Amino acid sequence: AQSVTQLGSHVSVSEGALVLLRCNYSSSVPPYLFWYVQYPNQGLQLLLKYTSAATLVKGINGFEAEFKKSETSFHLTKPSAHMSDAAEYFCAVTENTGGFKTIFGAGTRLFVKA
Amino acid sequence: NAGVTQTPKFQVLKTGQSMTLQCAQDMNHEYMSWYRQDPGMGLRLIHYSVGAGITDQGEVPNGYNVSRSTTEDFPLRLLSAAPSQTSVYFCASSEYRGSNQPQHFGDGTRLSIL
Repeated sequence: AQSVTQLGSHVSVSEGALVLLRCNYSSSVPPYLFWYVQYPNQGLQLLLKYTSAATLVKGINGFEAEFKKSETSFHLTKPSAHMSDAAEYFCAVTENTGGFKTIFGAGTRLFVKA
Repeated sequence: NAGVTQTPKFQVLKTGQSMTLQCAQDMNHEYMSWYRQDPGMGLRLIHYSVGAGITDQGEVPNGYNVSRSTTEDFPLRLLSAAPSQTSVYFCASSEYRGSNQPQHFGDGTRLSIL
């Protein structure tokens, strides 16, 4: 069965610092992986997705994530945090079995200090 | 292009009352789903549908019913509201062309059960 673990429910960085949000997954088959962002009182928006074309995936707002099969990880990074990046971030996995259930991690809230 | 529209945005119910959360999408997406979001638990799948007339249970279906009579609409019914159903509910849709498609989310319905 698939599962997603996000390490750290809260992450705090200074403006201009590196952002690293961790995601590890468990899947019996090669998965599709997603990162979503949620701003207050809004729904989730897609940041980026991995679909096996390339292990380093670039998304919107300067974010990127690297798929590492050996580590079953899909960590999200951004070289320089901006105040507007403060939000909650969710990692999600869908198994490539023709089924269509997506499992979400518990989320990581990112705080950006001035 | 409105995307995914959820109504109402806020609702307060008394224990035992029933109600329907509405969800409509205008993107001709085949796949629609309902999630609930609770602090520290991410999003949990309640029910989903892969097309008109086809629905299936997700991770936490008890106490909820769905139907899909048209491609556009996917209402969620609470049969007899309980305080444990206090949550934020999100509807999402995506193209059903394999599990690599991202989901488009509505802005959510914030439901309190007294």
